[in-house]
Amino acid sequence: GENVEQHPSTLSVQEGDSAVIKCTYSDSASNYFPWYKQELGKGPQLIIDIRSNVGEKKDQRIAVTLNKTAKHFSLHITETQPEDSAVYFCAASNPPDMRFGAGTRLTVKP
Amino acid sequence: NAGVTQTPKFQVLKTGQSMTLQCAQDMNHEYMSWYRQDPGMGLRLIHYSVGAGITDQGEVPNGYNVSRSTTEDFPLRLLSAAPSQTSVYFCASGQTDSGNTIYFGEGSWLTVV
Repeated sequence: GENVEQHPSTLSVQEGDSAVIKCTYSDSASNYFPWYKQELGKGPQLIIDIRSNVGEKKDQRIAVTLNKTAKHFSLHITETQPEDSAVYFCAASNPPDMRFGAGTRLTVKP
Repeated sequence: NAGVTQTPKFQVLKTGQSMTLQCAQDMNHEYMSWYRQDPGMGLRLIHYSVGAGITDQGEVPNGYNVSRSTTEDFPLRLLSAAPSQTSVYFCASGQTDSGNTIYFGEGSWLTVV
């Protein structure tokens, strides 16, 4: 089955800096790559996703890039704010199966 | 619009007891799934369903049963709870024709003593 590796496991940045989280996947048949944000005590919330026919997608301060040849994808958050502090999960899906990375705990220091 | 609703929110079980975690969605989604979340291990897929009457195993199915008699409900059963099943459980649902975008419930915290 699919195996998703996520790095780093923890990330601390100053407010206003950029944050980058990277994931790799193993199944070349995976064609959908969402990112979720999880705040303490809550369920994961979808923040952005990308499909295999697209190389990059942006939504305000958040962007995701995908390199299908290398089987890796990344989340970029610019101009970070304290409210961006949370755990972020990447996932790779060959529908209907979806597998997640282990998560990155992002801390944004004011 | 309630989305994905999980009950109970918190539960303590003794080893060997059985229980059912309930999950309901009101979005007419075909796809439903259960994940468990453990520290440092992310979200691991237990079971999933692509429609009423259809279920399949994920990566960690042992010790859990599911059924899907209606589109709305997807209960997760622990037949004989073990301390290794102490975890946070998340139910999710989505439309399979939307590229498998899934939406999560708020979680059920289970402790087995």
